[in-house]
Amino acid sequence: QITLKESGPTLVKPTQTLTLTCTFSGFSLSTSGVGVGWIRQPPGKALEWLALIYWDDDKRYSPSLKSRLTITKDTSKNQVVLTMTNMDPVDTATYYCAHVSFTMVRGVIIPTGFDYWGQGTLVTVSS
Amino acid sequence: SYELTQPPSVSVSPGQTARITCSGDALPKQYAYWYQQKPGQAPVLVIYKDSERPSGIPERFSGSSSGTTVTLTISGVQAEDEADYYCQSADSSGTSWVFGGGTKLTVL
Repeated sequence: QITLKESGPTLVKPTQTLTLTCTFSGFSLSTSGVGVGWIRQPPGKALEWLALIYWDDDKRYSPSLKSRLTITKDTSKNQVVLTMTNMDPVDTATYYCAHVSFTMVRGVIIPTGFDYWGQGTLVTVSS
Repeated sequence: SYELTQPPSVSVSPGQTARITCSGDALPKQYAYWYQQKPGQAPVLVIYKDSERPSGIPERFSGSSSGTTVTLTISGVQAEDEADYYCQSADSSGTSWVFGGGTKLTVL
């Protein structure tokens, strides 16, 4: 049974750095074909993909936020950490982490979608 | 940056068929995924790889693809299907993932 849970501060000040931790169980990020992504959702708005880390430590970032984001994994702790620098009130959102699997089709890695999600954590940016 | 375009809202009566579209230039090259999100809840994957249905998702949910548009079809809509629906895919290189703007499905 796969579960994920986000943790971190609920309130950060503008210009500060946000550090969020995704603690998961039921899978290992050292297993081939597994990844964890971060997605956020401002209140009343759409989902926005932020970052993804693969089992082999390859990483992908949203182009619009790439300069501010860092994603890392600690396989021994079953955790993925996302840091976002220079926080602004527009970054106020619910932040989710989610599990994704990959299959190999004719040499191409194909994701099977974000199939398990954490409950999300609301982060408010305000002075 | 790459974008996926969805209609803001779709309304149907119970028992009817709802179709939600998602358009993007890279969709002929990249698979699409669909998520259902109800108020206060995390999204749930309802369709992956354009038309595959995860276990536990009712058969009334189906997906299709044609050119630069993918479609989520809900046959025999039920009141419990009222939710926001998001498509998700990637740019042509597959390195940048993206969600559509979401479609609010209202069951009249």
